[in-house]
Amino acid sequence: EVQLVESGGGLVVPGGSLRLSCAASGFPFSTYWMNWVRQAPGKGLEWVANIKGDGSKTFYVDSVRGRFTISRDNAKNSLYLQMNSLRVDDTAVYYCARFAWSLDYWGQGALVTVSS
Amino acid sequence: DIQMTQSPDTLSASVGDRVTITCRASESISSWLAWYHQKPGKAPKLLIYKASNLETGVPSRFTGSGSGTEFTLTISSLQPDDFATYYCQQYNSYPYTFGQGTKLEI
Repeated sequence: EVQLVESGGGLVVPGGSLRLSCAASGFPFSTYWMNWVRQAPGKGLEWVANIKGDGSKTFYVDSVRGRFTISRDNAKNSLYLQMNSLRVDDTAVYYCARFAWSLDYWGQGALVTVSS
Repeated sequence: DIQMTQSPDTLSASVGDRVTITCRASESISSWLAWYHQKPGKAPKLLIYKASNLETGVPSRFTGSGSGTEFTLTISSLQPDDFATYYCQQYNSYPYTFGQGTKLEI
């Protein structure tokens, strides 16, 4: 059974940093592109970033490029999102999601709140 | 960036109704479109990929169609479990983008 479990969310002050993790199981992790998608409270879905299975390629939405870094450790079946210079408008539930013709499996989400 | 526009924003319907949600892309995305639904407090769930392919385990009352810039999701006979918010998403080019969502309510 495919499982994706996010962790690392919490409350952080503007300008601070946070690292999200996503533990994957039930599929050959290293062969799939992995994504982060976020959803601000009461708002729609926003794709944030993705990374190729071997970690050789990454893509970002403009609003986080240069502040967020997506990475993975295939030996640990884990996906990460390092978030620096956080802003109030980064407040959201962050989902990790597997890509196979689309985002076919999603984690339960991790809430990140940026507030002073 | 490719803009995805869904219509309507809100759709009121009843159990047993046939409903259609439309998604328009600001430029051609071929068939690189997915549909998801989401219930409050839950992660989105994939329904349709590559515009018209039903995800494994999704009931056959869900049908996707379209290509290029115009796409539709049709639910042939609404069930109580179908009342949720529906999103389209393009994955033709980066950044991947979602429609604003269509809330399907009773």
